[in-house]
Amino acid sequence: QQQVRQSPQSLTVWEGGTTVLTCSYEDSTFNYFPWYQQFPGEGPALLISILSVSDKKEDGRFTTFFNKREKKLSLHIIDSQPGDSATYFCAARHTNAYKVIFGKGTHLHVLP
Amino acid sequence: EAAVTQSPRNKVAVTGGKVTLSCNQTNNHNNMYWYRQDTGHGLRLIHYSYGAGSTEKGDIPDGYKASRPSQENFSLILELATPSQTSVYFCASGGYPPSNSDYTFGSGTRLLVI
Repeated sequence: QQQVRQSPQSLTVWEGGTTVLTCSYEDSTFNYFPWYQQFPGEGPALLISILSVSDKKEDGRFTTFFNKREKKLSLHIIDSQPGDSATYFCAARHTNAYKVIFGKGTHLHVLP
Repeated sequence: EAAVTQSPRNKVAVTGGKVTLSCNQTNNHNNMYWYRQDTGHGLRLIHYSYGAGSTEKGDIPDGYKASRPSQENFSLILELATPSQTSVYFCASGGYPPSNSDYTFGSGTRLLVI
């Protein structure tokens, strides 16, 4: 059973544009939502995370939004750069849980 | 600098052979995890550990064993490797709940079973 769904599977944007990745989850007990960024040949690395008590968290060009009622998250990248080309994983867990549940990822290509 | 180190980086194994993938972490994290990554499936959890001496089954444990001899080391063992186990394997470490410490991943081991 897939508990975290990401869309789109793949996305291409032009340099300077805004990228929007979306994620939905099923388990209402999830209260912590990290996003991981993975470059080819490397392991995933934490990009940004948000707790369910917040509806927005910003870090430079990256902002994550959380909608508890709809059980949805999104990751916005403004002024997208070719160096942002990577796979992005949405994830979820309860803060008391040992396991993080990952989505299947979105492949982002930013064209110069 | 705290890190997760995996070895080997690349491995070619023959069908039916034994394969051991190793992972070492210097984060002083209690929890460690083994994932495999395949196109179309994302990251799938194979085994994880709460600490030295413990191993737990993840979502796809069949065909794999794990060993956690110390806080720092966590191994993934394929006793009888099969071509379906060709994949990229990632080890990760994580803090003890209810902290919000996130996973730190290694750089991966690319395994080809022929």
